Amino acid sequence: DAGVIQSPRHEVTEMGQEVTLRCKPISGHNSLFWYRQTMMRGLELLIYFNNNVPIDDSGMPEDRFSAKMPNASFSTLKIQPSEPRDSAVYFCASSGTAFNEKLFFGSGTQLSVL
Amino acid sequence: DQQVKQNSPSLSVQEGRISILNCDYTNSMFDYFLWYKKYPAEGPTFLISISSIKDKNEDGRFTVFLNKSAKHLSLHIVPSQPGDSAVYFCAASAAGGTSYGKLTFGQGTILTVHP
Repeated sequence: DAGVIQSPRHEVTEMGQEVTLRCKPISGHNSLFWYRQTMMRGLELLIYFNNNVPIDDSGMPEDRFSAKMPNASFSTLKIQPSEPRDSAVYFCASSGTAFNEKLFFGSGTQLSVL
Repeated sequence: DQQVKQNSPSLSVQEGRISILNCDYTNSMFDYFLWYKKYPAEGPTFLISISSIKDKNEDGRFTVFLNKSAKHLSLHIVPSQPGDSAVYFCAASAAGGTSYGKLTFGQGTILTVHP
């Protein structure tokens, strides 16, 4: 299995631009998570889906952030408009069942907003 | 509010010695705890876990201890190897409702094992 696949690996953009991060979970996994890692806050959960349905988006920082999961094999995290404080590493993770907290993480997207 | 805390940002040990990484939590609803390891430019990978009904879980060189009364867990690595050098994250989850699968992570501890 290829594992959780994220794209792009690096994204550099200017303030005000729209940013879209992509994730392909492990085939057969029905839970998908978006995390953000910063020096100040560590790894924090933004949103997670179970069977393509958003279950908890309480970690989404602002309305500028949105996430979708149109099917079991694809999810996006969008930031519009982006701001310098959004600069961080964004991780996508998936797991087999909602009761299995063993998450498998992708390699992350390093986002820099100038 | 940091519900999971790793108070030591870094730890340095000699190869062959024991590494002890510590983690404290404040939420008494947490009932499942995990340790993840992260290398640079990679995502975190699962290392070992423990349920709140146990106080110890062992997997090869890695042992996790849980002290529920103190709301404290620790990861022991014996013997430590240079390849263990990485960032270690403690994580916790609470059963019930929408909390399933939702992990709260600590800030991480950078472990360096010197040859």
